[in-house]
Formats: sequence, structure tokens, C-alpha cells
Amino acid sequence: QSALTQPASVSGSPGQSITISCTGTSSDVGSYNLVSWYQQHPGKAPKLMIYEVSKRPSGVSNRFSGSKSGNTASLTISGLQAEDEADYYCCSYAGSSTLVVFGGGTKLTVL
Amino acid sequence: EVQLVESGGGLVQPGGSLRLSCAASGFTFSSYWMSWVRQAPGKGLEWVANIKQDGSEKYYVDSVKGRFTISRDNAKNSLYLQMNSLRAEDTAVYYCASGGKIQPTPRYWGQGTLVTVSS
Repeated sequence: QSALTQPASVSGSPGQSITISCTGTSSDVGSYNLVSWYQQHPGKAPKLMIYEVSKRPSGVSNRFSGSKSGNTASLTISGLQAEDEADYYCCSYAGSSTLVVFGGGTKLTVL
Repeated sequence: EVQLVESGGGLVQPGGSLRLSCAASGFTFSSYWMSWVRQAPGKGLEWVANIKQDGSEKYYVDSVKGRFTISRDNAKNSLYLQMNSLRAEDTAVYYCASGGKIQPTPRYWGQGTLVTVSS
């Protein structure tokens, strides 16, 4: 039950775009289009930003987008805003034994 | 509006037990996978357990197998986590989360309840 691999931190200036990667294996990210991304502000519960690789829940800004290539999923945030500063976690379905696995999280700093 | 409200957290001694509850509203509870996810202080999210809509399938992270039991009562729109033989490393905020109809990855989250295991 190994965690997915995310960079510990990324940063960008307001208005710029950033991408956070999430690397798994052929048993999780690579096998299923069931990758989700969550945003978590300090002291708050996680919030779903992307599900099933690239789908956005109602109410989530279209500045957030997701994609996948092979065993790596990515979250892109365009037009960075100060309120985007938060921790971001990826999550993938991992089959019938492990079921769900999370990434270690990425701290996004808006400079 | 989907609402998930956890309760039952608190301070417990190592080796002790605690039962967490999650009251769900705003959606058809019996139609969705449900999860418990925890977050140790200053750490990332860790999936703990999942349960299928009818309770027929349950899955656990290795570190809690044999100690934690996930269950649900669809008549009461409630999810539970019975935690036995608690250890210091179980100290975390425990979140209840609803999944999808077909797949179990979390979508909506509660605000969490803090469990502290300490003597």
C-alpha cells in the first residue's frame, strides 16, 4: 500500500500556471481513470477539485484541470490566485485489495 | 447539500477503544461507497477504510486490519468506525467521506473528529 508520489512543494506568482504531478504505478494510476485531487487549507477539511482524472465538480473554477499519462496524473492551476495557496493531494483507486491510495501532498505557495 | 458530521473523537489511553460516528444528510446515503480517512498532526491524508453500499465489502489499510471495523446503518444514514487496541500512531483527525456509486474514492468530506491516543 505505497503512497503516490507528489512533489513536496511548488510555487508560482499570481496569474501564472503551475502543474503538480502525482506518480503511481501500473496497479493504481496507470490502470484506472479514477484519480481525484483535493485542496486543503490549514485547519480545514479537504475539498474535491477534480475527480475521474479530469472532471470538475460543480462550483470548482475552470482554472483547475486534470490529466493523466501512463502512471502519472497531473493537476494544473492556471491564473494563480492568492486563495489557491493550500495543500493539494492526489488519490487513486488501487484495485480490490488496497482499494484507495493517497499522495503525500504538495504545498502550493503563491508568491 | 451534502453534509457529513463526525463525532466520537477524544482522548484515549493506549490499548483503549473508541467508536466514531458519521451522520450523513443531503444525499441518498445507501447508494454510495463510504470511507474513513485520517490525518496525523502535520502529516498528509491516509486512507483508513471503505465500505460498499450494502456493507457486503469492507477494506482496510494494513496498519489497522484486525483492530478497526467499519460499518454502516443505511436506515440511520450513519457510518461508524470501531477502533480497538489503539496506539499512539493512531492519533489523527479522522474524516468521514462519501465516495461514488461505482468507485470508492472520496468526494465529499466531513469536518473531522480528533482522536488522541496518549497516556
